[in-house]
Amino acid sequence: DVQLVESGGGLIQRGGSLRLSCAASGITFSSYAMSWVRQAPGKGLEWVSLISGSGIGTYYADSVRGRFTISRDNSKNTLYLQMNGLSPEDTATYFCVFGFYFDFWGQGTQVTVSS
Amino acid sequence: DIQLTQSPSSLSASVGDRVTITCRASQGIRNELGWYQHKPGKAPRRLIYGASSLQSGVPSRFSGSGSGTEFTLTISSLQPEDFATYYCLQHNSYPRTFGQGTKLEI
Repeated sequence: DVQLVESGGGLIQRGGSLRLSCAASGITFSSYAMSWVRQAPGKGLEWVSLISGSGIGTYYADSVRGRFTISRDNSKNTLYLQMNGLSPEDTATYFCVFGFYFDFWGQGTQVTVSS
Repeated sequence: DIQLTQSPSSLSASVGDRVTITCRASQGIRNELGWYQHKPGKAPRRLIYGASSLQSGVPSRFSGSGSGTEFTLTISSLQPEDFATYYCLQHNSYPRTFGQGTKLEI
């Protein structure tokens, strides 16, 4: 069974940085693209970023480009999201998602940015 | 960017009802669309991929159809566990985009 476990969320002040991690198991991790998707309180789902299986291809939403960096360590079956320059608008639950077609999702980790 | 417009935004229904949710794309996306169910505090779950293929393990009362710019998700006979928010997602181009969601309530 596929398992995705996110970690690294928390309460951070405006302008601060956080790094989210997603540990994957039950899959051939390096063969698949991975994404981050977020949901702000009371809002819908918003795609944040995608990385190819090799890690060479990376794609970002305009709202985070230049502030967030997606990466992966295929030797550790782990996906990352480095978030810099955080603002209250980044407050959300962040989900790790397996597959180019968004096949399977983790439970999410909460990020709260205070002003 | 491709905009996805879901309708309705919310829907009141009863157990046993047949329900249809529509997702319209601002430009053609072939069949590159999925449908997701999301319950509060849970991981979203994919129901349909490729616009009409049923995800393994998902009950057959769920079905998807459409191609190009208009897509539908149908639940043939609502069950209590189906009350949730449903989203469409396009993976035709970047940025990936979601519909705004349809909240299905009793």
